[in-house]
Amino acid sequence: GQSLEQPSEVTAVEGAIVQINCTYQTSGFYGLSWYQQHDGGAPTFLSYNALDGLEETGRFSSFLSRSDSYGYLLLQELQMKDSASYFCAVRDKAGFQKLVFGTGTRLLVSP
Amino acid sequence: GAVVSQHPSRVICKSGTSVKIECRSLDFQATTMFWYRQFPKQSLMLMATSNEGSKATYEQGVEKDKFLINHASLTLSTLTVTSAHPEDSSFYICSAGTGAGADTQYFGPGTRLTVL
Repeated sequence: GQSLEQPSEVTAVEGAIVQINCTYQTSGFYGLSWYQQHDGGAPTFLSYNALDGLEETGRFSSFLSRSDSYGYLLLQELQMKDSASYFCAVRDKAGFQKLVFGTGTRLLVSP
Repeated sequence: GAVVSQHPSRVICKSGTSVKIECRSLDFQATTMFWYRQFPKQSLMLMATSNEGSKATYEQGVEKDKFLINHASLTLSTLTVTSAHPEDSSFYICSAGTGAGADTQYFGPGTRLTVL
């Protein structure tokens, strides 16, 4: 079966750095994506890793290790507006956009 | 960026009625659209993949006769929840891709369905 495991909740204070981990077990692997979702809202794309290493996009960075079936999302200089749920997602078939989503991590940022 | 809309944003219906949800790609053509269901504080669960001009592909455990999907054009897919029951109450989200190997899907704002 397919599984992507994330911590259920992470808390941090404004200005801090937080890392959200994702370990996956899927039938195929063609890239790891990260999405942010505020309560009642649509998921929005944050980052994508097809190859091992670190991708940096502003305050957000994402890392992938395919040999470890592991990735993480790093959020720096946390702001209150970063309080949301974060999902990792894997494309498990080549040439298809179908995504398998992780269990999700709720990030709570406090003043 | 690409915009995907959904209508309605919220719907409340009586048990036994059918509800249609529309998903539109506003500024691009979507050869493939996806329908997800999300229960409170849970992840997005893919229900089906909708391809323009062909039958939808349903995920295991999703009743195709209960969740009817039509993708009649490159900008519109519809999900009809037939004979809805309270356990169908959920947040339904669609997403669209361009079919060009893009590494992102563009998500609609979701539809909150409440079945009384």
